[in-house]
Amino acid sequence: GAVVSQHPSWVICKSGTSVKIECRSLDFQATTMFWYRQFPKQSLMLMATSNEGSKATYEQGVEKDKFLINHASLTLSTLTVTSAHPEDSSFYICSARVTSITGELFFGEGSRLTVL
Amino acid sequence: AQTVTQSQPEMSVQEAETVTLSCTYDTSENNYYLFWYKQPPSRQMILVIRQEAYKQQNATENRFSVNFQKAAKSFSLKISDSQLGDTAMYFCASYTSGTYKYIFGTGTRLKVLA
Repeated sequence: GAVVSQHPSWVICKSGTSVKIECRSLDFQATTMFWYRQFPKQSLMLMATSNEGSKATYEQGVEKDKFLINHASLTLSTLTVTSAHPEDSSFYICSARVTSITGELFFGEGSRLTVL
Repeated sequence: AQTVTQSQPEMSVQEAETVTLSCTYDTSENNYYLFWYKQPPSRQMILVIRQEAYKQQNATENRFSVNFQKAAKSFSLKISDSQLGDTAMYFCASYTSGTYKYIFGTGTRLKVLA
């Protein structure tokens, strides 16, 4: 199957700083990528849909100014958590869709963010 | 509204035995796809099996098979000959190509016992 790589796998930062997480599709072009947030022992919460060359579509309740998403190329989407606070600590997962017809998703390894 | 429900938060099964994970869904769309994803302790989600709603035949992938009951909107996953490596969180999900929307269930934590 298709490979999606996410980096870094874990990051610790101080409150007030910004953190960038990268999501790359390694062997296919992904016009659409998705960013999820997962709390311990819970399901995935969709944060936003990232479309190459255009603005991301954010889900209701997700602060677009805090969670900046950029999808500048067909193989890279980035999520920047700006002015991070302890409540932003979470597991962030990206995924990419190969085709919009069948919808199969390929997931990155996830990024554990801890804000001190 | 599109929903996916997994009513079993946790399950356990003895190694080599068979276990069935339940999933029900609701959608008003005619064209949709159903998935089971596995999230092992390493946390990377991987696709286990996929079912197209227009296909009557149940999907099978080696030890994994589904029981797709379209009228009942049920999509259960059967794992045969369970292995220790099957220990993971399993998520049922639906996707509609008309709305490009994915909906994930709340997950079932499966533990395979030696």
